[in-house]
Amino acid sequence: GAGVSQSPSNKVTEKGKDVELRCDPISGHTALYWYRQSLGQGLEFLIYFQGNSAPDKSGLPSDRFSAERTGGSVSTLTIQRTQQEDSAVYLCASSLFRSADSNYGYTFGSGTRLTVV
Amino acid sequence: KQEVTQIPAALSVPEGENLVLNCSFTDSAIYNLQWFRQDPGKGLTSLLLIQSSQREQTSGRLNASLDKSSGRSTLYIAASQPGDSATYLCAVGTSGSRLTFGEGTQLTVNP
Repeated sequence: GAGVSQSPSNKVTEKGKDVELRCDPISGHTALYWYRQSLGQGLEFLIYFQGNSAPDKSGLPSDRFSAERTGGSVSTLTIQRTQQEDSAVYLCASSLFRSADSNYGYTFGSGTRLTVV
Repeated sequence: KQEVTQIPAALSVPEGENLVLNCSFTDSAIYNLQWFRQDPGKGLTSLLLIQSSQREQTSGRLNASLDKSSGRSTLYIAASQPGDSATYLCAVGTSGSRLTFGEGTQLTVNP
């Protein structure tokens, strides 16, 4: 597609429920990232996928968070047993594979605003 | 651990003024630096990307500079307009392609 598409744009869920957030990256982009932006805070790295390599999961805040990327394209971020502190905007970005000093930037989606009540 | 700081946190200027937003980072081993714009309730829009081997990039009324050795970047906005009102985020690309973001500068341009 022309841009990074995320769905849903807004999600309200009850505490304890599981949620799935979807990201559809730009066609041909091999790298995909998830970030979280909590109210009044900066963007926090969650997870990074690059091609067929093992993902960098070092930013996931707890084992309730998981993500997968099927067929090197669409990615799903799953949060199990949601807590109120999970409320945030979840942003996905994609980029072409990059090496040092390459010229590939990052394109972000519009995000999913998650509210846990 | 890379840390990115943006100063000021908020800035309010009259329309037409030229302004400078500052970004500093603690680890100079970066691949690139990117400036983004974020409007309320929206995602991030990329403004400028500077590679580690470059010193500046320009797009329209925007000019971004990079001094890797001193760990600093500036975003210069010429002839500011009310439509420039947004939060401006600086992010550095480091090993593993991870971006480390500053907390942003909230800019208000008053008509």
